Amino acid sequence: DGGITQSPKYLFRKEGQNVTLSCEQNLNHDAMYWYRQDPGQGLRLIYYSQIVNDFQKGDIAEGYSVSREKKESFPLTVTSAQKNPTAFYLCASSPGIRAQHFGDGTRLSIL
Amino acid sequence: QQQVKQSPQSLIVQKGGISIINCAYENTAFDYFPWYQQFPGKGPALLIAIRPDVSEKKEGRFTISFNKSAKQFSLHIMDSQPGDSATYFCAANLQTGANNLFFGTGTRLTVIP
Repeated sequence: DGGITQSPKYLFRKEGQNVTLSCEQNLNHDAMYWYRQDPGQGLRLIYYSQIVNDFQKGDIAEGYSVSREKKESFPLTVTSAQKNPTAFYLCASSPGIRAQHFGDGTRLSIL
Repeated sequence: QQQVKQSPQSLIVQKGGISIINCAYENTAFDYFPWYQQFPGKGPALLIAIRPDVSEKKEGRFTISFNKSAKQFSLHIMDSQPGDSATYFCAANLQTGANNLFFGTGTRLTVIP
């Protein structure tokens, strides 16, 4: 089945620790996105990538980093510089300028 | 600055009733308006979408009404069912660029039996 796989489903971060969220897609989509979801704030764009080895900052990139070494993979690292990392993180991919397909998210909490 | 404004934040509807969620935008460059449905612990899924040259689009119990002059659009869920209980997001899409999809803040719909 084609789709977007995010792992892990739940993740806990200690103070001063970097954590990496995985996103893999087998839809052969060029564009991939990371969003952060907080209650009452909708989806806010963290980073996006249109092609391999290229990515751009979204609206709330501070404290996050990404890489795009393969078309299928777009991991997100939440660094210790992100002081309020507790949120639901969603990865999406798109074949073009319209439809975005989402994974089932990773919920990150602070220990 | 919120590009797409959505209301209400939450909505409680009796089973069989009509659920109505409203959205408004300012940027006239938006040319595609999708709605997403999200169940708890899941990612949003595309529900229905409309282009601004159409005033209404219906898919089953879900209808989008679009008012281009007022820059408003709304989702109507007819004969609402408990299984429709979810968070609904409207969005607006630009024709160009990769960072081109702007979401409303979401409406949490609860349909009570």
